[in-house]
This record gives sequence, C-alpha cells and structure tokens, in this order.
Amino acid sequence: QKEVEQNSGPLSVPEGAIASLNCTYSDRGSQSFFWYRQYSGKSPELIMFIYSNGDKEDGRFTAQLNKASQYVSLLIRDSQPSDSATYLCAVNMDSSYKLIFGSGTRLLVRP
Amino acid sequence: DTGVSQDPRHKITKRGQNVTFRCDPISEHNRLYWYRQTLGQGPEFLTYFQNEAQLEKSRLLSDRFSAERPKGSFSTLEIQRTEQGDSAMYLCASSPPAQGAFGYTFGSGTRLTVV
Repeated sequence: QKEVEQNSGPLSVPEGAIASLNCTYSDRGSQSFFWYRQYSGKSPELIMFIYSNGDKEDGRFTAQLNKASQYVSLLIRDSQPSDSATYLCAVNMDSSYKLIFGSGTRLLVRP
Repeated sequence: DTGVSQDPRHKITKRGQNVTFRCDPISEHNRLYWYRQTLGQGPEFLTYFQNEAQLEKSRLLSDRFSAERPKGSFSTLEIQRTEQGDSAMYLCASSPPAQGAFGYTFGSGTRLTVV
C-alpha cells in the first residue's frame, strides 16, 4: 500500500463546476497536509495546506481534512480551464521536514 | 533573488556516465531538499540539508547518488554510473527557518535522460 493514494484521473469537469479531488494516507502520524498544483513540464506550486480537522477555505479552493478516516480532499469551485493541471497531495510528519507525495490526479476543465 | 535556481535544465547522458546537478536556493532559506519525479508519479524525497548538514537520506539514494551543500548555500547532486532508470526530473526545493514543510519553494527542475 502506498503511503499517499490518489486517483490518477483524468477528472473531467465542465467550466464553472466544482471539482473534487481526493487523497487518502496510511500513516496516522501524519500531521500536515498539502495540495500542490503542477502544470505539465513545470514544478509543483503550493495551493493550500491544512493540519486541523475540518475545512479551510482560500478563494475558490477548500481543503477538507478528516484524520479519523485518514482522508483529505480539495474542492475547486467555479472551475476554469486554467485549473487544468495535475494536483498533488502531500503529507508531512512533524518529526521530519520531508513531504510524501501521492502520484497526483489530472484535472481537465472543459470550456 | 527570484527563486530556487537549478542548472542545467536538461541533461542527456549516456549510460555509465557521471552527471552533476546544481541547485541555488533562495538566499535566506536554510533548508534545501532534493526530490526525483518520474512520469506520472509524484515527487519522491531523496535527501535534505539544514545549512551544510545532510540530515535525512532516503533509501532511494543508492551508493551511486551523493549530495553536498558545502557552505550551506548551493547544493550539488551527483549520480555516478548512470542507469536508464535514473531518467527523471530532479527537483530541488528550499524553505526558510521556522517554516519547514510549510515554506517549500521548488525550482524548475533538471530533466535527466539516460540513453
């Protein structure tokens, strides 16, 4: 079992819809959770991080964390074609500064 | 200082050759990380430095891989006797003091192709 699991997709949504991206993790010691966006051929860029159970909103993005279920998600409201990218989920344990990444979910937003 | 700089951007090498990559972090960042990313996968942690000290290494970092950060500024990653399986994007990131995993800035990466 991989430490961080994501559906590879592609997840295809129409412009203006809500895109829901999901991630599960295996290590209950994971403390902090990150969502990165990566355009093809580019490096990852941080969208959001969350470390408390519940929701965290930032503009069109909402991260949701459920530590009991070992589940973290990212909602993108009013999806735009420019949101088309691979979304990487990453986790971190406080004892280390490294990030453990999932394999990413490819999102396609259709105009 | 506009970000994390990696050099070269692309490297094609023949199997068995040695290659070295360089990473220049953001100047005030004391932590520097190396990751490897293959097609369709997320980045995999290789190693990280706090100042000049190499504090953690992945089991992925075989004897053929070595990383240094001699003066706590730039870092180099050397791969000896390259194999086709080493073909990947090598990403460097840095983070400032007191932010750790929350403050990563990635460089543009070095794409290695072993032929």
